[in-house]
Amino acid sequence: KQEVTQIPAALSVPEGENLVLNCSFTDSAIYNLQWFRQDPGKGLTSLLLIQSSQREQTSGRLNASLDKSSGRSTLYIAASQPGDSATYLCAVRQVTNFNKFYFGSGTKLNVKP
Amino acid sequence: GAVVSQHPSWVICKSGTSVKIECRSLDFQATTMFWYRQFPKQSLMLMATSNEGSKATYEQGVEKDKFLINHASLTLSTLTVTSAHPEDSSFYICSAASGGPTEAFFGQGTRLTVV
Repeated sequence: KQEVTQIPAALSVPEGENLVLNCSFTDSAIYNLQWFRQDPGKGLTSLLLIQSSQREQTSGRLNASLDKSSGRSTLYIAASQPGDSATYLCAVRQVTNFNKFYFGSGTKLNVKP
Repeated sequence: GAVVSQHPSWVICKSGTSVKIECRSLDFQATTMFWYRQFPKQSLMLMATSNEGSKATYEQGVEKDKFLINHASLTLSTLTVTSAHPEDSSFYICSAASGGPTEAFFGQGTRLTVV
């Protein structure tokens, strides 16, 4: 059974710092991996989607990498801002059932002004 | 991206009553919809998968008689929490997909509080 782990569970950094969030998964037979942002009491906002054949995706200050063979992904946030404060979730979809998401427990990020 | 609307965004109900949550795909036909539950400080856990016109498939440990799912049309799925109890208080989120290896989109979630 696929298990997704995110480290660290929480992170507090001063504004302007570059930071890395980690995600690992146990079954490498994934269809894709997606990073989401969740604000308190809110739904999910999709940030980046990486297909299994891709190594990385970039959007603005965000860069996500994928190493499928080792079961790892990282989300890099450059020049962090207080508005980046939220919980970041990674989720994978399996080749055998691409519509089902397996979520990590998230990293709660706090960017201090 | 496509829009999935979930209603209500929050609801408070008395213990023993039933609550219905709606999930609508506004600009595409969702052949498959998913319902997730999220307890405080925990990640999303899939409760059930529903395909339009057929019975939902429930994940292990989820009571199908308590969490009734209906997916009667390609744009609407409903989750009814029957005889709600305080331990059912949670954040419920739906997602919808149009079938095939396509992206799934998430609703904004419903905060259920049972008192």
